[in-house]
Amino acid sequence: RKEVEQDPGPFNVPEGATVAFNCTYSNSASQSFFWYRQDCRKEPKLLMSVYSSGNEDGRFTAQLNRASQYISLLIRDSKLSDSATYLCVVNKITGGGNKLTFGTGTQLKVEL
Amino acid sequence: DAGVTQSPTHLIKTRGQQVTLRCSPKSGHDTVSWYQQALGQGPQFIFQYYEEEERQRGNFPDRFSGHQFPNYSSELNVNALLLGDSALYLCASSNSDSLNQPQHFGDGTRLSIL
Repeated sequence: RKEVEQDPGPFNVPEGATVAFNCTYSNSASQSFFWYRQDCRKEPKLLMSVYSSGNEDGRFTAQLNRASQYISLLIRDSKLSDSATYLCVVNKITGGGNKLTFGTGTQLKVEL
Repeated sequence: DAGVTQSPTHLIKTRGQQVTLRCSPKSGHDTVSWYQQALGQGPQFIFQYYEEEERQRGNFPDRFSGHQFPNYSSELNVNALLLGDSALYLCASSNSDSLNQPQHFGDGTRLSIL
């Protein structure tokens, strides 16, 4: 079983749609959680951190459920510029350092 | 304020050769992590350096080695290159005081093995 599993893609949605991505992780000792966005052939860029209380940044809402080891990302009013791959990321701190574990990513295509 | 910088941008090598990739962390960061991203996959953690020592290591063979310098910059070395080493190599920096915080990535080095 992969440490971080994400919804299979691609998601093709019309502009203005609401889309939700889900992610599960297997290591209950993970300490922090993120969503990164990656455009084609570019580096991953932080979209937002994810907290148990839920957090919102404009059209984006992220949620963490530690009991279920489940992370979600909701995008409202999708824009063409939201087209990218969304990576679910889990951070584990151990031995004086830390390690990010990425899911394989979910591709989103927003269409006219 | 410069972000994470990596060099070179692209590199072409042949099987059996050796390669060195370089990374300068974001200003104020003292920890450097390296990742390998194959096509269609998420980045895979190779190792992390802090205080010029390897602090964490992922599931990569000994052909992959690294170094961190006193100015916090880092190198990734890969020996005896295989076709499967073709990938985007990403460097990320962070601060050892804030290991819970996200890492910041450079543009990456795209390595092609012929």
